Amino acid sequence: EVQLVESGGGLVQPGGSLRLSCATSGFSFSVYWMTWVRQAPGKGLEWVAKMNQDGSERHYVDSVKGRFTISRDSTENSLYLQMNSLRAEDTAIYYCARDGFAVALDYWGQGTLVTVSS
Amino acid sequence: QSALIQPPSASGSPGQSVTVSCTGGSSDVGGYNYVSWYQQHPGKAPKLMIYEVSKRPSGVPDRFSGSKSGNTASLTVSGLQAEDEADYYCSSYGGSNNVIFGGGTKLTVL
Repeated sequence: EVQLVESGGGLVQPGGSLRLSCATSGFSFSVYWMTWVRQAPGKGLEWVAKMNQDGSERHYVDSVKGRFTISRDSTENSLYLQMNSLRAEDTAIYYCARDGFAVALDYWGQGTLVTVSS
Repeated sequence: QSALIQPPSASGSPGQSVTVSCTGGSSDVGGYNYVSWYQQHPGKAPKLMIYEVSKRPSGVPDRFSGSKSGNTASLTVSGLQAEDEADYYCSSYGGSNNVIFGGGTKLTVL
């Protein structure tokens, strides 16, 4: 069974940092692109970042470029999102997801809530 | 890039069909056959329903179908059931390795 489990969310002050993790199981992690998507409270989905199998390609939405870094560890079958210089508008549930088809996310985690507030 | 445009709401009675539209431009929806649709129930993670405009992942009922014409993609749910009540989001490849989501449509089963 494919599983993705996010962790690392919480309350952080503006300007602070947080590192999200996504532990995966049930599939060959090293074969797939992986993606982070976020959803602000009561709002729609927003694609945040994605990364290819070996880490040679990383792509970000403009609003997080230079602040967020996506990474992965194939020995741990895990995906990460390092978030620096956090802003109130980064407050959201963050989901990790597997790119199972061309630009389509076929498995999602349950999400982890990040709240940026003083 | 701007979000794809979806109607905020749609509704239908059980057994009826309802179609949700998703409008973009020639650089996203119109330029690639990489439109996906996701279903999200309250408090749950999104679920992939349609990929590459009209393909269904294993386990998705054939009541769900997708299509595209020009810069507008559509999701049709036939034979509406109570459990279809949810938010639906479209997404498209936007070029330059970007992905764009629509604003979401709340589908109500009357």
